[in-house]
Amino acid sequence: NAGVTQTPKFRVLKTGQSMTLLCAQDMNHEYMYWYRQDPGMGLRLIHYSVGEGTTAKGEVPDGYNVSRLKKQNFLLGLESAAPSQTSVYFCASSYLGQGYGEQFFGPGTRLTVL
Amino acid sequence: GENVEQHPSTLSVQEGDSAVIKCTYSDSASNYFPWYKQELGKRPQLIIDIRSNVGEKKDQRIAVTLNKTAKHFSLHITETQPEDSAVYFCAALPANDYKLSFGAGTTVTVRA
Repeated sequence: NAGVTQTPKFRVLKTGQSMTLLCAQDMNHEYMYWYRQDPGMGLRLIHYSVGEGTTAKGEVPDGYNVSRLKKQNFLLGLESAAPSQTSVYFCASSYLGQGYGEQFFGPGTRLTVL
Repeated sequence: GENVEQHPSTLSVQEGDSAVIKCTYSDSASNYFPWYKQELGKRPQLIIDIRSNVGEKKDQRIAVTLNKTAKHFSLHITETQPEDSAVYFCAALPANDYKLSFGAGTTVTVRA
């Protein structure tokens, strides 16, 4: 049971380049989330999904797109990267049902945009 | 939406002393309050949580208290140790919502 995994761990992009971050979970969780973490600003929600085929905007969605074609995967895309998107990105998942609420985080992706 | 405020932003304590972090929330419908610990370069991990039908919960050296009337909850760490040095985040989840609202975090440093 790997939990929540993220690919890649590190990436350096030039301004204007595109990339996709992959999040995978093997816990059969319904809900998945993408956050960015910047120094002194805590965790800010970018997009989230409440089930396969559904996505919704979070607090800071501009410049990002997401897709959830399979229940276990949640992809975060940057179509045209900007230096302001330099951050650490965390994916998380949580389950539906009794006792729901806890989010399980992936190890993070450190992205630098030059 | 829910708004969570967390204080203090930094906290330095002597090893063996207690540490207290306080959070307030705005949505009276919130009913789940987790605390996450994030060590340097690592992912946030749940250390303790409390639901709105409980006023206090303990797990060894950590405890969380909840005051629904005042809409605030606190994390208490007793007999602090160097490995307690980390960033701690509080969060709140409104009923029938899917999104946790996080506080801005508290950097705790335990001095040897």
